[in-house]
Amino acid sequence: QQQVKQSPQSLIVQKGGISIINCAYENTAFDYFPWYQQFPGKGPALLIAIRPDVSEKKEGRFTISFNKSAKQFSLHIMDSQPGDSATYFCAASRGTGTASKLTFGTGTRLQVTL
Amino acid sequence: DGGITQSPKYLFRKEGQNVTLSCEQNLNHDAMYWYRQDPGQGLRLIYYSQIVNDFQKGDIAEGYSVSREKKESFPLTVTSAQKNPTAFYLCASSITSGPYNEQFFGPGTRLTVL
Repeated sequence: QQQVKQSPQSLIVQKGGISIINCAYENTAFDYFPWYQQFPGKGPALLIAIRPDVSEKKEGRFTISFNKSAKQFSLHIMDSQPGDSATYFCAASRGTGTASKLTFGTGTRLQVTL
Repeated sequence: DGGITQSPKYLFRKEGQNVTLSCEQNLNHDAMYWYRQDPGQGLRLIYYSQIVNDFQKGDIAEGYSVSREKKESFPLTVTSAQKNPTAFYLCASSITSGPYNEQFFGPGTRLTVL
């Protein structure tokens, strides 16, 4: 079964610090790697995504780093804020133009303290 | 406002009963999905549909059924055959023709079996 392994399970970061969440995948056919953010009692929302033709993508304080040879990708949250406290899921899928299935990691619960 | 609505927000079921969860979208998306979320397990795909009157099983379809009679609607029935139905259920949709499989999620339904 295709898998995406995510770590750590939980993370506590002080305000202003850097939060780092890592994911590793097995299927080399994956060509789309999104990160979703979920607040308690809500549905996940797309945060940022990357394709394997680039090694890094940055949107504001959020950066995805991608290592194709290692089959790993990570989310970096710079200057972490209490409002960033949420659960983060990495995911991967393959194929375009169809209803490609996303395979999700198990999630990381981030808490940003004052 | 365009988006995905799920109802009810909370649902209680007695053992042995079938229940149906509603999912409606007005985003004009062709593809729709149902996920189950359990603590520490991420999101697991139950069923998905690419077009009206067509749907495919996901990774954990046993004990569930769906229909796709209208583009906007993708109801999920949790049958009495589902042995552990207590969970948070998420519906999502996406444009099948886009280069990225960005999925938009609804707010979820929390099902509790009494």
